[in-house]
Amino acid sequence: NAGVTQTPKFRVLKTGQSMTLLCAQDMNHEYMYWYRQDPGMGLRLIHYSVGEGTTAKGEVPDGYNVSRLKKQNFLLGLESAAPSQTSVYFCASSYEGVLGSYNSPLHFGNGTRLTVT
Amino acid sequence: GIQVEQSPPDLILQEGANSTLRCNFSDSVNNLQWFHQNPWGQLINLFYIPSGTKQNGRLSATTVATERYSLLYISSSQTTDSGVYFCAVDRGSTLGRLYFGRGTQLTVWP
Repeated sequence: NAGVTQTPKFRVLKTGQSMTLLCAQDMNHEYMYWYRQDPGMGLRLIHYSVGEGTTAKGEVPDGYNVSRLKKQNFLLGLESAAPSQTSVYFCASSYEGVLGSYNSPLHFGNGTRLTVT
Repeated sequence: GIQVEQSPPDLILQEGANSTLRCNFSDSVNNLQWFHQNPWGQLINLFYIPSGTKQNGRLSATTVATERYSLLYISSSQTTDSGVYFCAVDRGSTLGRLYFGRGTQLTVWP
C-alpha cells in the first residue's frame, strides 16, 4: 500500500515550457487535490476533483489545468511555465466516508519541487 | 474564504517541555484538521477534529467550534516533533476546500 505517490520529485523548467505532474493513489479515494506551498504562505488549493471525470477550481487555479480520467490518478499540467509557479506541489486524497460525508482526513504525497527559471 | 490564523509563528523548546499551539478561524466550520510537516517536507495528518477533544500518545487536540479556535498540545516534546504544524479548516459548503493557516514552526533542541 503506497498511499499517495507523486512524480517527479524534482523538476527544473525554463519559462514557457510545459510539463505534467502525476499523482497516483491506491486507497480507492474519491477526492483528490493539488496544493502548492510557498514560503510563509501555507498551502493553497489549486484544483480538486470529487470523482473520476470531474474537476473544480480552488483558490489559485490560474496557469494550471487538471484531469482525472481514472479514479486513481490526478494530473496537474502547466501549459506555459512562469517563474511565479516555482513552488512545492503537493497532491492529496481523501475518502468520501460511510455516510457520504466529505469530512475525512487528507493523505498527502511527498511533494514535487518545481523551479522555473 | 475562511481566514485561519495560527500562533505562535515560531516556537523553540528544549526536549521534555510542553507546548500549546493555537488555531483561530473566522467562520463556522465542520472540518478541521491538524498536520505535521517534518523537516523532509512530508505532511502527516495528526487529527481530524471539527469539535471536541482527541488524544494520540503525547499529542492531543481540542476544538471549540462555537468560539472558533482549536488547540494542539504537545507534551514531553522530542526532537522528532520538530517541523511545521498546520491547521486547516473547511466550512463544508464546498467539497474539498480546506483552507490552511501559515503554520507554526516548532524546533525542539536536545
